[in-house]
Amino acid sequence: DQQVKQNSPSLSVQEGRISILNCDYTNSMFDYFLWYKKYPAEGPTFLISISSIKDKNEDGRFTVFLNKSAKHLSLHIVPSQPGDSAVYFCAAWNNDMRFGAGTRLTVKP
Amino acid sequence: DSGVTQTPKHLITATGQRVTLRCSPRSGDLSVYWYQQSLDQGLQFLIQYYNGEERAKGNILERFSAQQFPDLHSELNLSSLELGDSALYFCASSVSFDGNQPQHFGDGTRLSIL
Repeated sequence: DQQVKQNSPSLSVQEGRISILNCDYTNSMFDYFLWYKKYPAEGPTFLISISSIKDKNEDGRFTVFLNKSAKHLSLHIVPSQPGDSAVYFCAAWNNDMRFGAGTRLTVKP
Repeated sequence: DSGVTQTPKHLITATGQRVTLRCSPRSGDLSVYWYQQSLDQGLQFLIQYYNGEERAKGNILERFSAQQFPDLHSELNLSSLELGDSALYFCASSVSFDGNQPQHFGDGTRLSIL
């Protein structure tokens, strides 16, 4: 039962350009959506979140957009930096947390 | 450093055995979550405790159990281990039980079943 899907296993972008990571979900009851970043040999680290009643949340270089009608959210990173290279997980909350399988972002210098 | 401590970092054991994974949450956090990450898969939610009480249950097998102690540390017990139980097990903590509070993750325990 995969209620949260990240259909792109990997993404490669040039330093300074925009990175767009996508996430789709099936359960319209999710209250909150979160993005986590994970480096090898470390646990996931919280990046940014958005409530289901909003459509955009911005924090520095990171912006999350939520399209409830399409059951889709995206994370924009502008400008992308080599240190952003990591696996990014989309997660959604409704009494418990559901994670996507992750997208590996590579930012090339 | 997330402030969440998981021990041990690595565990190697055989099928049929039983192991205990330990988690100390971040100071001040009352909620503890356990997740399993198998190869190339996302994190699967197992179970959540809040202030000593079970709060939510996910895809946790009957062979697995957990508890949260009065000092708020938590243990995940895995018994009758099978090859398919080999995975990374993460613990996370948060201030409350609401999903709007970010969860802070430990670095995980890598369990290998031989």
